[in-house]
Amino acid sequence: GENVEQHPSTLSVQEGDSAVIKCTYSDSASNYFPWYKQELGKGPQLIIDIRSNVGEKKDQRIAVTLNKTAKHFSLHITETQPEDSAVYFCAATYSASKIIFGSGTRLSIRP
Amino acid sequence: GAVVSQHPSRVICKSGTSVKIECRSLDFQATTMFWYRQFPKQSLMLMATSNEGSKATYEQGVEKDKFLINHASLTLSTLTVTSAHPEDSSFYICSAPDRVLMNTEAFFGQGTRLTVV
Repeated sequence: GENVEQHPSTLSVQEGDSAVIKCTYSDSASNYFPWYKQELGKGPQLIIDIRSNVGEKKDQRIAVTLNKTAKHFSLHITETQPEDSAVYFCAATYSASKIIFGSGTRLSIRP
Repeated sequence: GAVVSQHPSRVICKSGTSVKIECRSLDFQATTMFWYRQFPKQSLMLMATSNEGSKATYEQGVEKDKFLINHASLTLSTLTVTSAHPEDSSFYICSAPDRVLMNTEAFFGQGTRLTVV
């Protein structure tokens, strides 16, 4: 079935440290993996994405890695800042661009 | 990037009434739109796929007669919550992929906070 699992559900890191969120997906046909940041009362905002033809992508302090064989992908945030505190969702596309979300990770940055 | 506009952002209605939520793609055409529901502190759960010019496809467990979807044009999909009850109170979000760039980034609306009293 269409499923995306995400861990951990909550994560607290010291400001300046790194945060890592991991996801697995079920359908080997999935080929697009976006990550979203959601702040309270707002819709999800795309922060980075990766397609199945690459293994890693980086955008400033944010990076995503993809292991298609294992059907794993991860979000890495380095040098965390207070404004990084939010809920993060991984996702995978299935047929016709249907996006299925992971369960979310509440990231808290301690000052 | 492309813009998806969702309206209203907040709505309060009485039990038993119906509420319509609109989702518009402002600068691109969307033959497909997706409707999600998000309960507090939970993930976004796909409710249905809205298809322009044809019937919507509902996910398992979603009542099609309660959540009416109409996708009458390439830029507009509507979700009507009929005979709303307090348990329907939730955050509803639509998304649309740019049909030129299918199977890639989907653009999300701002969401609608529905409260049924």
